[in-house]
Amino acid sequence: DAGVIQSPRHEVTEMGQEVTLRCKPISGHNSLFWYRQTMMRGLELLIYFNNNVPIDDSGMPEDRFSAKMPNASFSTLKIQPSEPRDSAVYFCASSLNRGDGYTFGSGTRLTVV
Amino acid sequence: KQEVTQIPAALSVPEGENLVLNCSFTDSAIYNLQWFRQDPGKGLTSLLLIQSSQREQTSGRLNASLDKSSGRSTLYIAASQPGDSATYLCAFLNQAGTALIFGKGTTLSVSS
Repeated sequence: DAGVIQSPRHEVTEMGQEVTLRCKPISGHNSLFWYRQTMMRGLELLIYFNNNVPIDDSGMPEDRFSAKMPNASFSTLKIQPSEPRDSAVYFCASSLNRGDGYTFGSGTRLTVV
Repeated sequence: KQEVTQIPAALSVPEGENLVLNCSFTDSAIYNLQWFRQDPGKGLTSLLLIQSSQREQTSGRLNASLDKSSGRSTLYIAASQPGDSATYLCAFLNQAGTALIFGKGTTLSVSS
C-alpha cells in the first residue's frame, strides 16, 4: 500500500501562472478531500468527491480554483491564475468508506512569488 | 458554522508525564472523530478513529474518548516521550460525510 500520493512535493511559480496539483488516492478508496493548510487559518476544506463526483465545493475560495476527478485513481486541483496569497501546503486525503477514517498524502508545498 | 476548538494551543512537559489534550466541537451529530499527528513540515498521520457509537479507542500509550452529548473528545498520552513531540489535531466527520472539520491543533513538546 503506497498510501495517498501527491505530486509535486514542492512547487514554486510566478504570480499569474497556472498551477496543477495532483493526487492519487489509495486504490479502492471512493471518498476524497482536498485541503489547504496555512499557519494563520489551519486546515481548510476545499472540496469533497465521492465516487469521482464533486459533492461539496463550498470551500473552494474563488473561481480561480477548480478540481477534477476524472477517474477513481486520479484527482487534480488547479489554480489559474495563481496569486501570492495562494501560497500554502495543499493536502488530499482518501477513505474507503465514510466510516473508515481518512488517510492523508504528504502534501504539496506551493509558493507563489 | 461547524467548529472545532483544541485546548491548549501549546503544551510543554518533561518526559514521563501523562497528559491530556482536549477537543470540543459544535456539531453533536457527528459521524466519527479522528485524531491525527503532524510533525513539522510533514503530512498528517492518523492516530485513532472513534465512531459516533463508541466511547473510546486505545492504541498503545494513546487513549481517545468521545462524549457526543457534550461535544468533547480527549486524547490521553501516557508516559510521554520526546518522540511524541508534534502537533496533534482532532477532526470530526459530519453526519453526511461531506466534511472533515479540523481544529487548529495542540503543539506538544516533550523534553528529555
